[in-house]
Amino acid sequence: DTAVSQTPKYLVTQMGNDKSIKCEQNLGHDTMYWYKQDSKKFLKIMFSYNNKELIINETVPNRFSPKSPDKAHLNLHINSLELGDSAVYFCASSQEMAGWNTGELFFGEGSRLTVL
Amino acid sequence: AQSVTQLDSHVSVSEGTPVLLRCNYSSSYSPSLFWYVQHPNKGLQLLLKYTSAATLVKGINGFEAEFKKSETSFHLTKPSAHMSDAAEYFCVVSHFNFNKFYFGSGTKLNVKP
Repeated sequence: DTAVSQTPKYLVTQMGNDKSIKCEQNLGHDTMYWYKQDSKKFLKIMFSYNNKELIINETVPNRFSPKSPDKAHLNLHINSLELGDSAVYFCASSQEMAGWNTGELFFGEGSRLTVL
Repeated sequence: AQSVTQLDSHVSVSEGTPVLLRCNYSSSYSPSLFWYVQHPNKGLQLLLKYTSAATLVKGINGFEAEFKKSETSFHLTKPSAHMSDAAEYFCVVSHFNFNKFYFGSGTKLNVKP
């Protein structure tokens, strides 16, 4: 009963392909995120959804498209993959209490994407 | 604007000796500050957080951190390192609504036997 689960854990693909990463959380949280961790371990937020609504969309190429079918799921689809997309992608969730985010992020174990 | 600087990219200690991981922050508002730990091939886990209550914050696994506004610092300490503490540690700053979290570049802690 993993709290935040991502699939696949590893993904190796060719440049130009389209791929998706799925994320599910069973914590009942309202907010979900996608983070990108580069080869130097630097973490940067890409997107954030609150109750299926996009609330943060950082400077990310249009080739990246998040989709939240319900508040427990946040998927990431990437079109026309490039070498620079190689990274570990982390899904995370957090809870709100009395209208405020509690500030604790719960992370999945990451999806390592390698573009050849 | 908010940002975090982790002053050491690598820290190496011997088992049983104290740990000090340094973090300085910059924030236009009263910040909330966090330390997360990442073990190899794992997701990040919250160690502790400061949200304008007590300035000395205790976390899991014997870690603690002290918020010092005058020094804009939030250093992480542990009195005695254990082999299982070897991991990457991230200092994180956020604003009161927590919708955005800004991560430091990480400090890799190595614990020697």
